[in-house]
Amino acid sequence: DVKVTQSSRYLVKRTGEKVFLECVQDMDHENMFWYRQDPGLGLRLIYFSYDVKMKEKGDIPEGYSVSREKKERFSLILESASTNQTSMYLCASSPSGERAYGYTFGSGTRLTVV
Amino acid sequence: DQQVKQNSPSLSVQEGRISILNCDYTNSMFDYFLWYKKYPAEGPTFLISISSIKDKNEDGRFTVFLNKSAKHLSLHIVPSQPGDSAVYFCAASDGSTLGRLYFGRGTQLTVWP
Repeated sequence: DVKVTQSSRYLVKRTGEKVFLECVQDMDHENMFWYRQDPGLGLRLIYFSYDVKMKEKGDIPEGYSVSREKKERFSLILESASTNQTSMYLCASSPSGERAYGYTFGSGTRLTVV
Repeated sequence: DQQVKQNSPSLSVQEGRISILNCDYTNSMFDYFLWYKKYPAEGPTFLISISSIKDKNEDGRFTVFLNKSAKHLSLHIVPSQPGDSAVYFCAASDGSTLGRLYFGRGTQLTVWP
């Protein structure tokens, strides 16, 4: 069964900590994405990557960075966590050129910053 | 500015009846539209899609209708079941940014017995 795996379901971090959220996909997809979901705001794109070592800013990149050293792994980094980064974080992947099925999402990481 | 809009944050329907979820978009370059379903504490899962060259696509109980002139699409679920209770996201793609999807804010569907 193909999947996108996020390393943690729940995380609690302190303000100012550096936080790493890991995502791995086993489908050999070229494109990978990080979203956050907040009530009433839907899914907002933070960063995406269309190839190893390539990255593009999404709509809300401030306070975040990403790393893609291998095709299957896309990491989201919160440089200095703040309480307004408390959210559900969703990783997704998609193959280039295949648009009928969109993304495959991971199960999400619920991050709480205290 | 939101390019994909779901103006109803919630919808409540009785089991067995039809559920109709609506979505509007502003970007005329969008040429692929998708619906995702999301349960609490899980990631969204793909439900159904439609290309702009079509006006209807069916998959079992789910049908998506596209009205390009009105920049409007809708998802029909017939008959609705309690297990359909979830948040439904509408998404659109213009194909220009390597498959990036633009999402609406979601509609919470509740199907009651």
